[in-house]
Amino acid sequence: DADVTQTPRNRITKTGKRIMLECSQTKGHDRMYWYRQDPGLGLRLIYYSFDVKDINKGEISDGYSVSRQAQAKFSLSLESAIPNQTALYFCATSDPGRGGEQFFGPGTRLTVL
Amino acid sequence: KNQVEQSPQSLIILEGKNCTLQCNYTVSPFSNLRWYKQDTGRGPVSLTIMTFSENTKSNGRYTATLDADTKQSSLHITASQLSDSASYICVVSEFGNKLVFGAGTILRVKS
Repeated sequence: DADVTQTPRNRITKTGKRIMLECSQTKGHDRMYWYRQDPGLGLRLIYYSFDVKDINKGEISDGYSVSRQAQAKFSLSLESAIPNQTALYFCATSDPGRGGEQFFGPGTRLTVL
Repeated sequence: KNQVEQSPQSLIILEGKNCTLQCNYTVSPFSNLRWYKQDTGRGPVSLTIMTFSENTKSNGRYTATLDADTKQSSLHITASQLSDSASYICVVSEFGNKLVFGAGTILRVKS
C-alpha cells in the first residue's frame, strides 16, 4: 500500500461542494484507476488512464472527472457532490506485464451530507 | 452481462478451523482470476492468480482452485488465524485487462 498513496484518507463535505481526491504512486506504472466501493457491491470503475495523455470513462463516470497530471499522479474530482456519492474510493495502478494485477491505495472515505 | 457472484456473503469461524469461499462467474472471454484480501481500512491485496489452464494455486495457508468449464473458483483457508479476518474478493479479468469484481465475502475469525 505504501507505493500508492491517497489523500485525504477521510473527508466529510456538504452537498454541492467541489471535492478533489488525490492519488500518487511510486511503482512506476503507466496505468492508473479510480474505483468506488459501496457496501454489498463490488468495486466499480469510475475512470482509468493508461498514460499521461490517456483518459477513459469507466462504468460509473457520471458526476466525476479526473486529471492525470503526471505518470505518478491521478486526481479524481466531484464537481458538485451529492449524498449518493458517499462511498469508499480507491486508486489503483497496474503493469500490463503482470497479468493485470492491480495495486491499490489505502482508500479515501468520503461522506457527503 | 459479465458478472462475478461470491458466497457466502459473510462467515464466522473459530480460530484454527478451515473454511472455503466460493466464486461463480460469467465473464467471457476469460483471461485470469484473482483472489484479493482486503483488511478493514486498507486496499485489496492480491493473494493468488490463476489462468485458464491452472486448476490449483497455493499461497501459504490459502489455496485457490479453478474449474474453467463450470466457471467456478474457490478459496480454501487452512488453520485459520485471527489475522485472516478480512473481506475476500474474487476478481475475473477479461482479455484486455478489464476487471470484474465480486462483492466479496466477509470472514471473521474468532478465538
